[in-house]
Formats: sequence, structure tokens, C-alpha cells
Amino acid sequence: TQLLEQSPQFLSIQEGENLTVYCNSSSVFSSLQWYRQEPGEGPVLLVTVVTGGEVKKLKRLTFQFGDARKDSSLHITAAQPGDTGLYLCAGAMPGNTGKLIFGQGTTLQVKP
Amino acid sequence: DTGVSQDPRHKITKRGQNVTFRCDPISEHNRLYWYRQTLGQGPEFLTYFQNEAQLEKSRLLSDRFSAERPKGSFSTLEIQRTEQGDSAMYLCASSSTEDGYTFGSGTRLTVV
Repeated sequence: TQLLEQSPQFLSIQEGENLTVYCNSSSVFSSLQWYRQEPGEGPVLLVTVVTGGEVKKLKRLTFQFGDARKDSSLHITAAQPGDTGLYLCAGAMPGNTGKLIFGQGTTLQVKP
Repeated sequence: DTGVSQDPRHKITKRGQNVTFRCDPISEHNRLYWYRQTLGQGPEFLTYFQNEAQLEKSRLLSDRFSAERPKGSFSTLEIQRTEQGDSAMYLCASSSTEDGYTFGSGTRLTVV
């Protein structure tokens, strides 16, 4: 069974603080995606990382794919209340179906 | 194109009733996915279509569940004889590559 373990599950921080969310698996993925989800809405794609060791930046968000393509991290610098939401990592299974295995999510609350 | 549309947004049904959900994907996308998400969890894969062909079904999809995608356009997900454990958010997503999905806003099902 392929599993993606995401940590921490909950994070409550003050505005301006930095944070890192981790996504770990024993399986190798062809790519890994990060999504953000608001209550009552579907997840919205933030980034896709494909190459082992790849780093992508999206404003204050930095995403990294592990060298072995089994793990990933999301780092947010100087968090803002607008960053509040559920962050999900998802690994694409090899085989070209596009099927994703999701982590259980990290609920982030940024207090003003 | 306005993205992936799902209808209805909310459905309350009595146990034992049948329900049907509709998903209209982005028109250029040939891949369509159904996922189910319960509170505090990441989405779980249910089934996948490439054009009109249903290529994969999760074992989560019991005999009471059926999905179709006639003519490779919109898709429907039907649940027969609903049970309280079917209560969840049902998410539809479409893509044209492995580079990330576009999700709809989901259908929230409550079985009472």
C-alpha cells in the first residue's frame, strides 16, 4: 500500500513566522504535487515537482522534491493570515494514469 | 472555459436512496477522476477515465457505486442504496497530462 505521511497535521502560528510541512513515503513517485484547499472547495494546484532534488519557488513558498523522489517539503516564509488553509501533498503513481495518492493534509492557521 | 463544474454542490438524502452527481470537466482535458474526501483527510482515489473508457477503479468503489463518462465529455457518479458511511465530499478533477489536476468545488453528500 502506497502511503504519503504528511506532518505536522495541524499548525497554528503567528503572522510573520516561518514554517515547513513535510511529506514522506517509502514509494517512488513520478512527480509530486502540492495543493491548497479552502473549506467547502476543491483543492487548488500550487506546484508540481518532477525531478529528484528539484526546488521551486512561488513567492514566499518554496517546494523541494527529495533526491530519491520519495519525499517533499513546503516551506513558507513570513506567513500571512491569507496563507491559512489545508495544504495537501499528492504523489503521482508511475504508469502514466495520472492517479494521485494524497497525504492526509496539514491544516495551517496563521493568526494576525 | 470556466473550469471543472460539479452539480449539485450539496445533497442531503435519506439512507437507502439513490443519488447521482454530475461533473463537467475542462473541455480539452481527456482525463477525468473521481475522489472522495472525508473530514480531516486527504482525497481518496475512486476511479479514472481516459476519454470514455473507465481505466481504473479503486476497491473503495463498492458495487453500489457506478461511474460513467458517455462520449468522453461529462461524467456521472451514482451511489445506490446510500449508507451513512457514504457521507463525504465527492470531488471531480480533470487533466490533460500528469502535471496536475484541476478540481471542481465538489459535491457534499450527507446521508441521514
